[in-house]
Amino acid sequence: EVQLLESGGGLVQPGGSLRLSCTASGFTFSSYAVNWVRQAPGKGLEWVSVITGSGASTYYADSVKGRFTISRDNSKNTLYLQMNSLTAEDTAVYYCAKHGAVVPAAIGGYDAFPIWGQGTMVTVSS
Amino acid sequence: HSALTQPASVSGSPGQSITISCTGTSSDVGGYNYVSWYQQHPGKAPKLMIYDVSNRPSGVSNRFSGSKSGNTASLTISGLQADDEADYYCSSYTSSSTYVFGTGTKVTVL
Repeated sequence: EVQLLESGGGLVQPGGSLRLSCTASGFTFSSYAVNWVRQAPGKGLEWVSVITGSGASTYYADSVKGRFTISRDNSKNTLYLQMNSLTAEDTAVYYCAKHGAVVPAAIGGYDAFPIWGQGTMVTVSS
Repeated sequence: HSALTQPASVSGSPGQSITISCTGTSSDVGGYNYVSWYQQHPGKAPKLMIYDVSNRPSGVSNRFSGSKSGNTASLTISGLQADDEADYYCSSYTSSSTYVFGTGTKVTVL
């Protein structure tokens, strides 16, 4: 069964840092891009970042660029999100989401997020 | 890229059809055939319903269909059922090699 399991969420003070992890199973991890998507309490979905299957390319939403870093360790089937300079606006459930292809907008399509983890809550508060 | 525009709510009676619109720009929805739709029940992770504008993943009911015209994509749910009551989000690839979600639509089954 294809699964994603996030961990690392918690309470952090404004200006602090946190690293999220997402462990994958049931598929060839390196063959797919992976995304982070977040959802603030009572709000809609916000795409955060994507990393290609090889890890060579990364892309970020403007709201997190320069503060968040996405990375992956294909030998451990694990995705990471290093979050620095956190503010209250970063409070959200963070989901990792498997991409449909090895890179975004791949020729051949399936440019979507077919598999999601259960999410991990990040609360930024003093 | 600003969030794609969706109606806040749409409702229908069981058995009816409803359509949810998703309006963007030529830099996202209008520029690529990479629009997807997600269903989210309260407290649950989103579920992919449509990808690449009009394709259904394996296991998704054929009551769900997608289309696009210009800068607006649409999700139609036919034969509305009680379990279809949920929040629905569209998403699109953008010219910045990023993704943007819609504002979300709450579907109510009357």
